[in-house]
Amino acid sequence: EVQLVESGGGLVQPGGSLRLSCAASGFSFSSYAMSWVRQAPGKGLEWVSSISDTSGSTYYADSVKGRFTISRDNYENTVSLQMNSLTAEDTAVYYCAKDVGSGSYLFGNWGQGTRVTVSS
Amino acid sequence: EIVMTQSPATLSVSPGEGATLSCRASQSVTSNLAWYQQKPGQAPRLLIYGVSTRAPGIPARFSGSGFGTEFTMTLSSLQSEDFAVYYCQQYNNWPRSFGQGTKLEIK
Repeated sequence: EVQLVESGGGLVQPGGSLRLSCAASGFSFSSYAMSWVRQAPGKGLEWVSSISDTSGSTYYADSVKGRFTISRDNYENTVSLQMNSLTAEDTAVYYCAKDVGSGSYLFGNWGQGTRVTVSS
Repeated sequence: EIVMTQSPATLSVSPGEGATLSCRASQSVTSNLAWYQQKPGQAPRLLIYGVSTRAPGIPARFSGSGFGTEFTMTLSSLQSEDFAVYYCQQYNNWPRSFGQGTKLEIK
């Protein structure tokens, strides 16, 4: 069974940094692209970032480009999101998502999310 | 960026009836269109991808159609567990983009 467990969320001041992690199990992690999707309180879904299976390709939403960095460790089966220069607009639940396959960067499985609150 | 627009924002339907949700893309996404369901307090769940392919475990009462810029998802014989928010999403271009959602509520 695919399991994705996010961690690292919390309360951070504007301008601060936070590192989210997602521990994956139940599938061949190194064979799948991974992504982060967020949802601000009471709002819809917003794609944040994706990384290919080999880390050879990374993609970012314009809203986070230059501030967030996605990475993965195919030995530890984890994907991370380093978030810098956080603003109130980054307040959201952050979901880790596994690709369906074939490099589609489609969100086939989701974790339960970790909440990030940016506030002074 | 491709803008995805869903309609209606809210749809009130009685259990046992059917429902049709619409999704429009600002430019062609060919067949790279997916639908997700989200219930309160839960993570989204992939229902349909490739316009009409149901994800594993998704019942046949969920179906999708369309191509290019116009898409629909049809739910037949609504069950109590189907009342939720539904999002369409294109995966043809970067950045990936979602519609704003359609809330399917009990009438």
